[in-house]
Amino acid sequence: NAGVTQTPKFQVLKTGQSMTLQCAQDMNHEYMSWYRQDPGMGLRLIHYSVGAGITDQGEVPNGYNVSRSTTEDFPLRLLSAAPSQTSVYFCASSYSGQGSYEQYFGPGTRLTVT
Amino acid sequence: AQSVTQLGSHVSVSEGALVLLRCNYSSSVPPYLFWYVQYPNQGLQLLLKYTTGATLVKGINGFEAEFKKSETSFHLTKPSAHMSDAAEYFCAVSDQGDYKLSFGAGTTVTVRA
Repeated sequence: NAGVTQTPKFQVLKTGQSMTLQCAQDMNHEYMSWYRQDPGMGLRLIHYSVGAGITDQGEVPNGYNVSRSTTEDFPLRLLSAAPSQTSVYFCASSYSGQGSYEQYFGPGTRLTVT
Repeated sequence: AQSVTQLGSHVSVSEGALVLLRCNYSSSVPPYLFWYVQYPNQGLQLLLKYTTGATLVKGINGFEAEFKKSETSFHLTKPSAHMSDAAEYFCAVSDQGDYKLSFGAGTTVTVRA
């Protein structure tokens, strides 16, 4: 299993540009989520999904959009990039089998908006 | 949302010394509790978790943590630090039966030779 994969690893955008961060998992997990990591703030939840076709907002959803058409994929779209969105983005997946709730994280995408 | 406090943003220990990282949460109902480790330029890896059962939880790499309901704490310890323990450590909590995690701000551990 590849686990959780994210592309690209690095990205530089200009203010106002849009882009999609890709996330895929091959563990058949029902739950997927996106976090952003900023220095001194830990990780904050952006959006999450409990299954294909179901998404919801997390703590910091503004400026981001998600969809989940398959169990495997959960892309994050930046609609109009702003410097405040400069961050490291992590995708995670999880399942509830056997009371696990453990989240598996991808390697991250480092995004810079100039 | 849950609130998580990690005391100390940086901890420096000597190789072979005790590692103690503190985590307190705000919920009045016992949550699910997790410790994650992040090595430089990598994703997060689960060290250990508490959901139900025994309150002393053992994890990978010799780490353990104890859930203390009366103190709303879940402190992480390792008896003897190794150079490879240098990393950032995050405490995270979720409501029981919920996937959404709330993270502490993180504690960076450096290990002195």
